[in-house]
Amino acid sequence: AQSVTQPDIHITVSEGASLELRCNYSYGATPYLFWYVQSPGQGLQLLLKYFSGDTLVQGIKGFEAEFKRSQSSFNLRKPSVHWSDAAEYFCAVVWMDSSYKLIFGSGTRLLVRP
Amino acid sequence: DAGVIQSPRHEVTEMGQEVTLRCKPISGHNSLFWYRQTMMRGLELLIYFNNNVPIDDSGMPEDRFSAKMPNASFSTLKIQPSEPRDSAVYFCASRPTGTGSNEQYFGPGTRLTVT
Repeated sequence: AQSVTQPDIHITVSEGASLELRCNYSYGATPYLFWYVQSPGQGLQLLLKYFSGDTLVQGIKGFEAEFKRSQSSFNLRKPSVHWSDAAEYFCAVVWMDSSYKLIFGSGTRLLVRP
Repeated sequence: DAGVIQSPRHEVTEMGQEVTLRCKPISGHNSLFWYRQTMMRGLELLIYFNNNVPIDDSGMPEDRFSAKMPNASFSTLKIQPSEPRDSAVYFCASRPTGTGSNEQYFGPGTRLTVT
């Protein structure tokens, strides 16, 4: 079955610290991978995406993510977190054999300590 | 460019009433999606349109829910009659035409409260 797992429900980091949010997927077909961010009361904003090529992708707001096929992972990273990064982050996957269906993880809520 | 536009942003209604949510996709996008977000179930795809035609409505909870896309620039999601368990945030998203990238752009959502 197609599934996306974000194992951390909440993560708290201090401002200026580095961040890594985990995402794993299961299913054999080739994935298209996305990270979205949702601020309170807002819609989902696309941070970055991976389709092919370089497995390290850069996104907006200083975020990056690395696709590791052997680990079925697509972890999101940021070297130095800002207070404005506090939000909920969703990993999402479209598999090539179901070309439209975006499967979301359950989300990770990021809290930033001043 | 304007993003995906949804209206209303907030809707409070009483159980049994009809609710209509509206969406205007990004111009030129030929795919449109309706999602529902709740604490219990997260983000769920309700229905997917391609070129104004419903392709997959398997996520529509029950017959009380219906969606239409009369033209490329407008879609509605209707709930009749509404029930308290329909309370959620409903998102509309659109996807560019023929890019092969599958990225979806989301609207700000409609927060529905059914009392």
